[in-house]
Amino acid sequence: SQLAEENSWALSVHEGESVTVNCSYKTSITALQWYRQKSGKGPAQLILIRSNEREKRNGRLRATLDTSSQSSSLSITATRCEDTAVYFCAPPGTGSNRLTFGKGTKFSLIP
Amino acid sequence: DMKVTQMPRYLIKRMGENVLLECGQDMSHETMYWYRQDPGLGLQLIYISYDVDSNSEGDIPKGYRVSRKKREHFSLILDSAKTNQTSVYFCASRRTGMNNQAPLFGEGTRLSVL
Repeated sequence: SQLAEENSWALSVHEGESVTVNCSYKTSITALQWYRQKSGKGPAQLILIRSNEREKRNGRLRATLDTSSQSSSLSITATRCEDTAVYFCAPPGTGSNRLTFGKGTKFSLIP
Repeated sequence: DMKVTQMPRYLIKRMGENVLLECGQDMSHETMYWYRQDPGLGLQLIYISYDVDSNSEGDIPKGYRVSRKKREHFSLILDSAKTNQTSVYFCASRRTGMNNQAPLFGEGTRLSVL
C-alpha cells in the first residue's frame, strides 16, 4: 500500500562519479521526502521537496520533482564511501499520518 | 538532544515466548510508529499511535499488539513469538500537525526468534 516506490533495486558507480535514484508516486502529494538509511541505522531524512518546487539542493544532493509525471529523482554528485546506503522516497504521510515506504534503492561504490 | 531510543538493541527468543520491544522519545511527539524491515521488503508499517491509548493498525498488524500509556513510550508486544517474526524493528516519532516534518527513527531492535 506504499504511495511511492524507487525504480531501481540497486545502483553502483565508481567513487567520485554521480548517481541518480528515481522514484514514482501514485497520488497527488503536497511534498516528497527522500531518506537515507545507512547499515545498522534507522532512516534519516535528506531532502524535502514540496509540490510547488521543481528542484531542491542540499550540498552534493539535488532532488527534482515532476508532478505531471508523478516522479522524482535524487542525484548525488562526487560520490563518497559515506554515501553507501539504501535510499527511499516517501510522501510525508500527513493527514492520516500513514507514512509508508517502498523497498528502497541500495547504492554502493564499485571497488 | 532529540532522540528515539529503542531497547533492547538485540534480542534472541525461542518460538512461543513473549516479546516486549520498548521505544522512548523525549520530544513529546504525539505520533509514533512501529515498522519491521526484512531484506528485500523495505519498511513495513505495523502500528501507528496518535497519542496515549489512540492506536491504529498499519499494514501488517497480525501477530502484534501495542501499548501506549505515556506519550513518551510506545511498546510493541509479540505474544507467543513465531520464527517468521525474526526481523529488525524500527520505532519512529513525529509531532502531529507539523506539515511535512519527517519522523525521527530509532536505531532498531534486531529480533531473532529461534
